[in-house]
Amino acid sequence: KQEVTQIPAALSVPEGENLVLNCSFTDSAIYNLQWFRQDPGKGLTSLLLIQSSQREQTSGRLNASLDKSSGRSTLYIAASQPGDSATYLCAVRGMYSGGGADGLTFGKGTHLIIQP
Amino acid sequence: EPEVTQTPSHQVTQMGQEVILRCVPISNHLYFYWYRQILGQKVEFLVSFYNNEISEKSEIFDDQFSVERPDGSNFTLKIRSTKLEDSAMYFCASSWGPLNTEAFFGQGTRLTVV
Repeated sequence: KQEVTQIPAALSVPEGENLVLNCSFTDSAIYNLQWFRQDPGKGLTSLLLIQSSQREQTSGRLNASLDKSSGRSTLYIAASQPGDSATYLCAVRGMYSGGGADGLTFGKGTHLIIQP
Repeated sequence: EPEVTQTPSHQVTQMGQEVILRCVPISNHLYFYWYRQILGQKVEFLVSFYNNEISEKSEIFDDQFSVERPDGSNFTLKIRSTKLEDSAMYFCASSWGPLNTEAFFGQGTRLTVV
C-alpha cells in the first residue's frame, strides 16, 4: 500500500528566503505526482503536476522535481512571501488498480509560515 | 477560470440523518472524485466515478455512502445514516482524463455530525 510522507511537518522562515519542501513515497510505480496548496479551512489548489516520465516542472517561483526511482519529490519555493503561508500537500497517483488506486494518495502536508 | 463548485460550504446534521453533498465539476471533465479530510488528518480518497458508474472505491466508502450524477452538471455524495465519525471536510474533484491528468478540487463542504 502506497504511503506518502512529507517533511518537515512545519516550517517558519523569514520573508525572502528560498526553501525546499520534501515528499517521499514508498511505491515508485506511479503515474504522476501533484503538489497542492491548502489554506486554513479551504480547498486544495493545484500547484504543479509532474508525470512519471518527467524530472521537474516549474510555475513562477515554484519548481518541483521528481526522482521516481528513489521515491522522492521536492518543491522549491524561491523568494518566499507572506502570501505563500499555507499547508503544502504532496499526492501521488499509483499504477495499480484496486484498493482505491484510482485516487490520489496524500501526505499529511508541510505547514509553512513566512514571517514578514 | 473554470472551477469545481461545492454546496453547501458547511452543513450540520444530527446523527442518523441522511445528508447529500453537492458538487458541480468543471464542465468538460469526465472523471469525478470524492475525498474527505478528518480534522488534522490526511486527505483520503473515497470514490471515483466515470461514465455514470463507480470505477473505484476505497474501504472507507461502505454501504452508507452512494454517489450519483443526476443530470449533466451535478455530482452528489449521499451519506445515508450519518455517524459522529463522518464529521470531516468533504472535497469533490474532477479531471478531464483518467490516471495521468491533473485533478482539480472544490473548496469543500465541512460536515459536522452532532
